[in-house]
Amino acid sequence: DQQVKQNSPSLSVQEGRISILNCDYTNSMFDYFLWYKKYPAEGPTFLISISSIKDKNEDGRFTVFLNKSAKHLSLHIVPSQPGDSAVYFCAASASSGGATNKLIFGTGTLLAVQP
Amino acid sequence: DAGVTQSPTHLIKTRGQQVTLRCSPKSGHDTVSWYQQALGQGPQFIFQYYEEEERQRGNFPDRFSGHQFPNYSSELNVNALLLGDSALYLCASSFDLGLAGGSEQFFGPGTRLTVL
Repeated sequence: DQQVKQNSPSLSVQEGRISILNCDYTNSMFDYFLWYKKYPAEGPTFLISISSIKDKNEDGRFTVFLNKSAKHLSLHIVPSQPGDSAVYFCAASASSGGATNKLIFGTGTLLAVQP
Repeated sequence: DAGVTQSPTHLIKTRGQQVTLRCSPKSGHDTVSWYQQALGQGPQFIFQYYEEEERQRGNFPDRFSGHQFPNYSSELNVNALLLGDSALYLCASSFDLGLAGGSEQFFGPGTRLTVL
């Protein structure tokens, strides 16, 4: 049972344009959501997170949007840069202040930013 | 700050053998979680250690066991290896804040285990 789904295995975007990565979840107990970026031969790197009490969180070029009624979140990268090319994982947890709690990951989306 | 470190980087074992993977958490972190990432999949939670005890466990058989030492480092042991245990094993560390939750989990580079 895949509780966190990333339905797009890959995405290709031109440098300077917006990248939008999507994630859906099924467990209504999830209250904390994170995005991680992963380069080959490295571990996932934390990018940005959002609590279920918010619907938007920004950090520089990265913005995460949460639509709880639709059980959907998205990561926007503006403007996209070639160095953003990596696998992006959506993750969720269910507990109060759940960053330390076990994370449930999606299968990842490979983003390729073309120069 | 060295971040989260894991050893070894790569490991090749045969079916039925046992393996031990090691993790040193980021400085200041006291909680260690282990994840298994199979090819083409996202990481799957194995278990989490805090104060030298297993605090949470995912859907993995008892062949998977762990330990946390007083210096917060941790080991993952897998007995009776199966071909399906071939994966990237990731260690993540974080700082527990009790009822306030905790910090984001920082991941190490992983150990690539191949079972032949």
